[in-house]
Amino acid sequence: DAKTTQPTSMDCAEGRAANLPCNHSTISGNEYVYWYRQIHSQGPQYIIHGLKNNETNEMASLIITEDRKSSTLILPHATLRDTAVYYCIVRVGGGSNYKLTFGKGTLLTVNP
Amino acid sequence: GAGVSQSPSNKVTEKGKDVELRCDPISGHTALYWYRQSLGQGLEFLIYFQGNSAPDKSGLPSDRFSAERTGGSVSTLTIQRTQQEDSAVYLCASSLGTAPLGYTFGSGTRLTVV
Repeated sequence: DAKTTQPTSMDCAEGRAANLPCNHSTISGNEYVYWYRQIHSQGPQYIIHGLKNNETNEMASLIITEDRKSSTLILPHATLRDTAVYYCIVRVGGGSNYKLTFGKGTLLTVNP
Repeated sequence: GAGVSQSPSNKVTEKGKDVELRCDPISGHTALYWYRQSLGQGLEFLIYFQGNSAPDKSGLPSDRFSAERTGGSVSTLTIQRTQQEDSAVYLCASSLGTAPLGYTFGSGTRLTVV
């Protein structure tokens, strides 16, 4: 799987949009971008994934650049409960590739 | 069930004892995964099940670790002769096959070996 690079930590004010970047310059054409988060003392939580097009769900939006070498996870109105470690993972979807390789992620701290 | 259920949530055991950790995946999820997370560390893949078969056991740290899955549902991770370095949070996840879908994780079992 392609390697991803994320900032170690970020801060965001409550109510503002949180924009979390991820670089994956070696991504292959059949690799998806996944985002998970892990709130303290809980298991990781799936947020969103995408291949080429931008995606939106009830939790977040995922913006993937046209060359697919980077992406941004957007939490439109961050709350204190969004404080967590956010993991950007690149993985071939389906088939025999089933592992999620978690890196260090970005610790997002939402401040009141 | 509505989510992935793991039991016990916490386990304290003496060094050298055996422990069993249980995972109840979401009903209908054919794929099941075990990961562990040591204090302040990232998640480490242990084993993957597709149905009752485990095509990949490569992440198991030693032969003291084993896992099984029965009826395509419940899975048990067994650690024999526990050591202090086995102390970690053991996380289970399940998914509908390996298609490009998200995995649902349980809350984990925190194992402490004293």
